[in-house]
Amino acid sequence: GAVVSQHPSWVICKSGTSVKIECRSLDFQATTMFWYRQFPKQSLMLMATSNEGSKATYEQGVEKDKFLINHASLTLSTLTVTSAHPEDSSFYICSANRAGVNNEQFFGPGTRLTVL
Amino acid sequence: AQSVSQHNHHVILSEAASLELGCNYSYGGTVNLFWYVQYPGQHLQLLLKYFSGDPLVKGIKGFEAEFIKSKFSFNLRKPSVQWSDTAEYFCAVNGFGGNKLVFGAGTILRVKS
Repeated sequence: GAVVSQHPSWVICKSGTSVKIECRSLDFQATTMFWYRQFPKQSLMLMATSNEGSKATYEQGVEKDKFLINHASLTLSTLTVTSAHPEDSSFYICSANRAGVNNEQFFGPGTRLTVL
Repeated sequence: AQSVSQHNHHVILSEAASLELGCNYSYGGTVNLFWYVQYPGQHLQLLLKYFSGDPLVKGIKGFEAEFIKSKFSFNLRKPSVQWSDTAEYFCAVNGFGGNKLVFGAGTILRVKS
C-alpha cells in the first residue's frame, strides 16, 4: 500500500509553454501533498504544501504564480509550471501524507522536466 | 529554521565493509527523523524512521540508525554492505506538529564488488 504515482515521468517542452504534472495517491487518501524540486546532484527542496480544497502554502522564494498547485481531491494534486524557461528544467517530485499515518511521506517517482 | 547536514557526499566501500553515514540536524524541539534511499533510476523509499521510544531504530535491508538527542544526530549504520546498497541516502527531519520535511544534501554510496 501507499503508492504514489506521477505523470508524466518525463516531459520536454519549449520555452514559454506551460506544463502540468499530476501526482496521485493510488491506494490511499492523502491529507496533504508536497511538491519538491531536485537539482542534479543536490537534495530535495520543498516548493509547496497543499491540502485538498485549500490554497497551497509556498516556501520562501517559490513563485506561486509560476508554479500553480491545485489539490482537487484527496488523491490528486497537480503542479503547473507556467511560461516555462530553461532554468525551470529540473526533477519534480511529489509526496503524500496518508491519513492516520502522521508525518510519514510517501514519494512519487518524479517527473523530469526539460525546457528547451 | 531547521537544517540537516550530512557529512559525506560520496562514500566508496568494498562489499562486506561496515557503513556509517552521519546526519546532524539543528532544531531544539521534538523531531521526527527519517532515512530515505534512492536507488539508481528509482524513487525515494523509506529505510527507517524514528518518532519516539527506543533510540536505536531498525529498518529494512539490515539498516539501523541511532538517535542521540544530546548530539542532535541520527546516524545510519549497516554492519556489512552489499553491492546492491549502491544508492543515494537522504536524512530528513521534521519538527513537532509540522508535516514538512527538511532534507540533507544526500550521500552517494558506491559499493565495489
